Amino acid sequence: AQSVTQPDIHITVSEGASLELRCNYSYGATPYLFWYVQSPGQGLQLLLKYFSGDTLVQGIKGFEAEFKRSQSSFNLRKPSVHWSDAAEYFCAVGQNFGNEKLTFGTGTRLTIIP
Amino acid sequence: NAGVTQTPKFQVLKTGQSMTLQCAQDMNHEYMSWYRQDPGMGLRLIHYSVGAGITDQGEVPNGYNVSRSTTEDFPLRLLSAAPSQTSVYFCASSYDEGRAFFGQGTRLTVV
Repeated sequence: AQSVTQPDIHITVSEGASLELRCNYSYGATPYLFWYVQSPGQGLQLLLKYFSGDTLVQGIKGFEAEFKRSQSSFNLRKPSVHWSDAAEYFCAVGQNFGNEKLTFGTGTRLTIIP
Repeated sequence: NAGVTQTPKFQVLKTGQSMTLQCAQDMNHEYMSWYRQDPGMGLRLIHYSVGAGITDQGEVPNGYNVSRSTTEDFPLRLLSAAPSQTSVYFCASSYDEGRAFFGQGTRLTVV
């Protein structure tokens, strides 16, 4: 069975500092990988996705992620965080072509301090 | 373009009551799914559908039923609500090699 691990439950960074959120997955084949963000009381917004090709993917809001097959990782990065980035971040892996069966990590809550 | 619409947004049920959470999408997506979100557990798949008339169980299906009579709609039924079903429920739709689009969620409390 596939699984996703986000080892950091809560991260606090200063505004303007760089950010890296970790995600490790377990899946037999090449996965479909996603990062979603959720603000309090809201739904999930897609930040970026990896299906194939270039292992460094660019997303919205200045985020990027790198797929490393050898490490089974898909870490999310941002060079300079803004106060509006405070939210919960979820890594997910899709096992099927239609991505109707996503497996999510437990999430990382990001706090930004001025 | 409404995307994925869930109703209601909030609901309080008494133990043993039944109800249906509605989900509709207007993107003609073939695939639809239901997830529940609980603190510290991320989102877990309840049921999913790969097309009209075809549904299957996910990771946590007990206590829930689904049907998919049309491409657009994918209702989730709670047969006899239990406090353990207190959660936030998300419906999603997706397409081949595409991302999943999520609704805004239904916050359900069972007392």
